[in-house]
Amino acid sequence: SQQGEEDPQALSIQEGENATMNCSYKTSINNLQWYRQNSGRGLVHLILIRSNEREKHSGRLRVTLDTSKKSSSLLITASRAADTASYFCATDEAAGNKLTFGGGTRVLVKP
Amino acid sequence: SQTIHQWPATLVQPVGSPLSLECTVEGTSNPNLYWYRQAAGRGLQLLFYSVGIGQISSEVPQNLSASRPQDRQFILSSKKLLLSDSGFYLCALTLDNSGNTIYFGEGSWLTVV
Repeated sequence: SQQGEEDPQALSIQEGENATMNCSYKTSINNLQWYRQNSGRGLVHLILIRSNEREKHSGRLRVTLDTSKKSSSLLITASRAADTASYFCATDEAAGNKLTFGGGTRVLVKP
Repeated sequence: SQTIHQWPATLVQPVGSPLSLECTVEGTSNPNLYWYRQAAGRGLQLLFYSVGIGQISSEVPQNLSASRPQDRQFILSSKKLLLSDSGFYLCALTLDNSGNTIYFGEGSWLTVV
């Protein structure tokens, strides 16, 4: 089964609104990362948050991590049509050296 | 900085035919290498990862195999393709064993007909 599961699976918002998506995982992790994928392309790294961090910002992105609940959220503020993409969380399990990805959230930002 | 080259970018193969997808890396040495598969509109499934030449770990049982003949070359193969092998195959790397940022190639689209 997948280590990371995103919620919701799909999200449709108007330009200018905020987009929030969540990721839950099952095992202890070293860090959690969020990636973006435009249709038919490779994934691009957005942000990494370590297990001892609770919140991190990068431009219009805000990521939180709650290790007690084994969950993370990604917030995109003031969304733009160009933010339309799929967003994936990935966990780096403490016991291994590989990243495991969730199923992703497809975000559609309507102009 | 490191770059990942995948080829072919697009491939249409008949059921039962062999497969070879290649991934080469430039700009770094001794990376951890990964093969992921993504079905249309779905998440990524880790197929294989390698921490060094000749070292392959398989994550899921399947009719695919992987090899790492050189430090910066990772090959995904099959002797006989199935319809269910269709998907988007992504090669990726990380630069150390702590699982830091993963870098992806642009992927190879495989359609088995």
